[in-house]
Amino acid sequence: KQEVTQIPAALSVPEGENLVLNCSFTDSAIYNLQWFRQDPGKGLTSLLLIQSSQREQTSGRLNASLDKSSGRSTLYIAASQPGDSATYLCAVRGLTGGGNKLTFGTGTQLKVEL
Amino acid sequence: ETGVTQSPTHLIKTRGQQVTLRCSSQSGHNTVSWYQQALGQGPQFIFQYYREEENGRGNFPPRFSGLQFPNYSSELNVNALELDDSALYLCAISRDPGANAEAFFGQGTRLTVV
Repeated sequence: KQEVTQIPAALSVPEGENLVLNCSFTDSAIYNLQWFRQDPGKGLTSLLLIQSSQREQTSGRLNASLDKSSGRSTLYIAASQPGDSATYLCAVRGLTGGGNKLTFGTGTQLKVEL
Repeated sequence: ETGVTQSPTHLIKTRGQQVTLRCSSQSGHNTVSWYQQALGQGPQFIFQYYREEENGRGNFPPRFSGLQFPNYSSELNVNALELDDSALYLCAISRDPGANAEAFFGQGTRLTVV
């Protein structure tokens, strides 16, 4: 059974810092990994999708890497801003069931302070 | 445009009642998945629909059922509501159930069972 763990569970940083969020998964048989942002009480916004054959993806100040063999992904946020405050979730799409489901971690709650 | 619309946004029901949640998109993405997110947890896969058929199910009892319509919109029905069904219900669309598909989520329906 796939399990996804995110560390740290919560993080508070001053504005302008570069930061790294970690995601690990137990079964490396995946199609892809997706990072999401969730604001309190809201839905999920897709940030980055990394296919299993890729090593990293970039979008603006965000960079995500994937090491499938070791079961790890990191989300790097450059020059953090108060508007980045949210919960960040990673999810993997496993080979089981033809990739019909995402398995999520419990998220990292980020607060960026002025 | 991959906007996903869920209705209603909030709902309060009494234990034992039945509820129907709805999901639609203008994008033509033909695969719909439903997730349940309890407070402080990551979303859990309920089931997926493709071509109006169920295409995989998570660890949820049969009182959770769904439908997909020819226009790809979808419903989630929950019978005999229990207090533990209180959660944020998220709908996700993707282009085909294919393994490389990126998932796009709606804003969710907050269900409270009293």
